[in-house]
Amino acid sequence: DIQMTQSPSSLSASVGDRVTITCRASQTISNYLNWYQQKPGKAPKLLIYATSNLQSGVPSRFSGSGSGTDFTLTISSLQREDFATYSCQQSYNTPLTFGGGTKVEIK
Amino acid sequence: QVQLQQSGPGLVKPSQTLSLTCVISGDSVSSNSAAWAWIRQSPSRGLECLGRTFYRSQWYNDYAVFVESRITFIPDTSKNQFSLQLNSVTPEDTAVYYCARDEATAMAFDIWGQGTMVVVSS
Repeated sequence: DIQMTQSPSSLSASVGDRVTITCRASQTISNYLNWYQQKPGKAPKLLIYATSNLQSGVPSRFSGSGSGTDFTLTISSLQREDFATYSCQQSYNTPLTFGGGTKVEIK
Repeated sequence: QVQLQQSGPGLVKPSQTLSLTCVISGDSVSSNSAAWAWIRQSPSRGLECLGRTFYRSQWYNDYAVFVESRITFIPDTSKNQFSLQLNSVTPEDTAVYYCARDEATAMAFDIWGQGTMVVVSS
């Protein structure tokens, strides 16, 4: 199975900050990497698919990059509604696996 | 607009069968451009994909190895839904269970059900 490791597991930031979250795969996954946002009591929401493609309706302050084993989610200017947990997921092969999540909290 | 509506009991006794259903609106369970997944989430194990069912001229299931001896997915084209059956549950199966669409172009879970908290306890 492909293991997905996110860092950090949590971070504190202020509104307007630039935030970067990293996801590392245990083997190469090409660009088959997706990012989700989850708020308490809600299902995950797809933000970015295939490393850098913004899902319809997702604000442009979210962006993704990377390839192979190392990937990044960036929020260019954190907004209040962005405080949530972010998870990566590989779709390179089965079993489809997720990272452990990064909780973004208000400083 | 595609929506998934989950139903099923929130409490299951140990050794019994967990059964959940996901009704699809706005898409088809037999779509050639989607797979239909069950994913669970617990504090100890995070998000885990239990597997998917999908139709490509015939039905396929791909189950996660850690549950494949206990799990069955049942697509129902007449009701446009798919169901999960997980046998011989233990307290370690306690989790929030989600159904989701794995869209073939994006290769990502783009639509999710609302989630069902299932507790395994006597």
